[in-house]
Amino acid sequence: NAGVTQTPKFQVLKTGQSMTLQCAQDMNHNSMYWYRQDPGMGLRLIYYSASEGTTDKGEVPNGYNVSRLNKREFSLRLESAAPSQTSVYFCASSSTREGNEQFFGPGTRLTVL
Amino acid sequence: DQQVKQNSPSLSVQEGRISILNCDYTNSMFDYFLWYKKYPAEGPTFLISISSIKDKNEDGRFTVFLNKSAKHLSLHIVPSQPGDSAVYFCAARYSGGGADGLTFGKGTHLIIQP
Repeated sequence: NAGVTQTPKFQVLKTGQSMTLQCAQDMNHNSMYWYRQDPGMGLRLIYYSASEGTTDKGEVPNGYNVSRLNKREFSLRLESAAPSQTSVYFCASSSTREGNEQFFGPGTRLTVL
Repeated sequence: DQQVKQNSPSLSVQEGRISILNCDYTNSMFDYFLWYKKYPAEGPTFLISISSIKDKNEDGRFTVFLNKSAKHLSLHIVPSQPGDSAVYFCAARYSGGGADGLTFGKGTHLIIQP
């Protein structure tokens, strides 16, 4: 099992460009999440999807959109990238059960110039 | 307003000794707490968790203690090993939120000295 995979690993964008970060999990988890981590900060929740077909905003959703394509895949889109979106992005998944232990992908390091 | 606080950005401990990492929270609606370990250029990995109805949970060298009245939890690692050098994040989940996201602290960088 690959667990949670993310593509790309690294990306450099110019201000105003758009891109989609891809995430997939093979653990048959219902819930998926997108977080960002900035230097010296903990992870902050951008969006989450409790189950296929549903998405909800987290703490820092502005400037992002998400799509829960199917049970396996959850993508994060930046429509018009800004330097403030320079960050490391982590995707995670969990089963909807007591505990909510989340499994994380390796991250995408995004730089917006 | 930070709801989960890790007030020590870094901690240096000698190999073989006990490492104690602390975490405080402000929101009494949190009902489940987790510790994650993170190496550079990797995603966080789950370490250990505790429900708010318990005050202790142990897994091998790792023990988490919860003091609900003080809104404080701690992670004990005994004995500390070189491979334990990493950033440790404390995280919390809202009650009733089986699928809700986690609220993370800023992390503590643990350095195990040989």
